[in-house]
Amino acid sequence: ETGVTQSPTHLIKTRGQQVTLRCSSQSGHNTVSWYQQALGQGPQFIFQYYREEENGRGNFPPRFSGLQFPNYSSELNVNALELDDSALYLCASSLRVANSPLHFGNGTRLTVT
Amino acid sequence: RKEVEQDPGPFNVPEGATVAFNCTYSNSASQSFFWYRQDCRKEPKLLMSVYSSGNEDGRFTAQLNRASQYISLLIRDSKLSDSATYLCVVNDEGSYSGGGADGLTFGKGTHLIIQP
Repeated sequence: ETGVTQSPTHLIKTRGQQVTLRCSSQSGHNTVSWYQQALGQGPQFIFQYYREEENGRGNFPPRFSGLQFPNYSSELNVNALELDDSALYLCASSLRVANSPLHFGNGTRLTVT
Repeated sequence: RKEVEQDPGPFNVPEGATVAFNCTYSNSASQSFFWYRQDCRKEPKLLMSVYSSGNEDGRFTAQLNRASQYISLLIRDSKLSDSATYLCVVNDEGSYSGGGADGLTFGKGTHLIIQP
């Protein structure tokens, strides 16, 4: 069974730039969620994709956007980067059935300078 | 605003001791509850779900009190390998453990250090 993989593992960007983070779901999982984890905080829900459509969204501005592809892989795009966007970005996949927990990837650590 | 509150610790506990963590949640309509474990600079991993009747998995026992909106995790005979951050997690909507339209709400975590 292939787990959730994310790329890149680390990234440094400058304020105002744009970034794209990538995620491959665990084999057989059709739902992808993205979370932002700032230092010393718990993960915060950004959004969830199911069947290539955004299925739900947390309290993040529109400059955070995403995509899900037919193979269930996903991208997180962040425009106009701000210093506070520096965080660990976690992708998690799951099945849309009861008792199917989230399986997280190792995350992408984004630093905005 | 939906919140999950945890004591951040750190809890410094000798190996072999019993340690308990607590967590409170603000949304009385929350539907399912979990404990996740996160090692330093790693991703969170599901430790166990929390059921209304309480449940046990080896040395770990989870309890839920819906009336008080309170969740607990008890670790018996603690091991050095139990050192980690323990995240209390609440699902406010739907029956999917992966979270519905509002995703899962995580606490900030409780940092546990088991000392030899």
